[in-house]
Amino acid sequence: GESVGLHLPTLSVQEGDNSIINCAYSNSASDYFIWYKQESGKGPQFIIDIRSNMDKRQGQRVTVLLNKTVKHLSLQIAATQPGDSAVYFCAENNDYKLSFGAGTTVTVRA
Amino acid sequence: GAGVSQSPRYKVAKRGQDVALRCDPISGHVSLFWYQQALGQGPEFLTYFQNEAQLDKSGLPSDRFFAERPEGSVSTLKIQRTQQEDSAVYLCASTRGMNTEAFFGQGTRLTVV
Repeated sequence: GESVGLHLPTLSVQEGDNSIINCAYSNSASDYFIWYKQESGKGPQFIIDIRSNMDKRQGQRVTVLLNKTVKHLSLQIAATQPGDSAVYFCAENNDYKLSFGAGTTVTVRA
Repeated sequence: GAGVSQSPRYKVAKRGQDVALRCDPISGHVSLFWYQQALGQGPEFLTYFQNEAQLDKSGLPSDRFFAERPEGSVSTLKIQRTQQEDSAVYLCASTRGMNTEAFFGQGTRLTVV
């Protein structure tokens, strides 16, 4: 079965609002997680990653939070824009293999 | 090249036909991966190469699937006697090394009719 999974398959957000996408994982030994964005007809694109020795990591308009106690991570997108409409995947990196969840489709409303 | 390039972008195959999917990784990237992505799902690992060596093929769904990377650069994923359940997007990714950022190609959408 899947080692990572997302809570909600779809998310609709008003342009300018913040988005939060959640992901749960089951393997407490997991130590490296990555968020990907996949637009229609394209391959997954790296957004941000986090290792288990961190609780939070920030990028440009994105923040990833990792809660190892409850085995949960989230991706926050600030001031969501129309270009943020895509499918978002959390993935666990096991040495070299990526294990992906099913994805959350984010739709930005104008 | 600037990114990972896959060809063809789209392939329609009749059931029972053999297909070959090509991946050109980023120049100098040691590691190359193939993933299969069914409609509405996340990508699933198929196989991994380090240079020309295929170090993991545990994700290949059957012996009809075969991958090679003979010179440690371009890779080909071959599917023999295609079945309808093989319909999916096949993604190739490359990395400089282990635990470094994976760059994905746009994928080949295979439809078996």
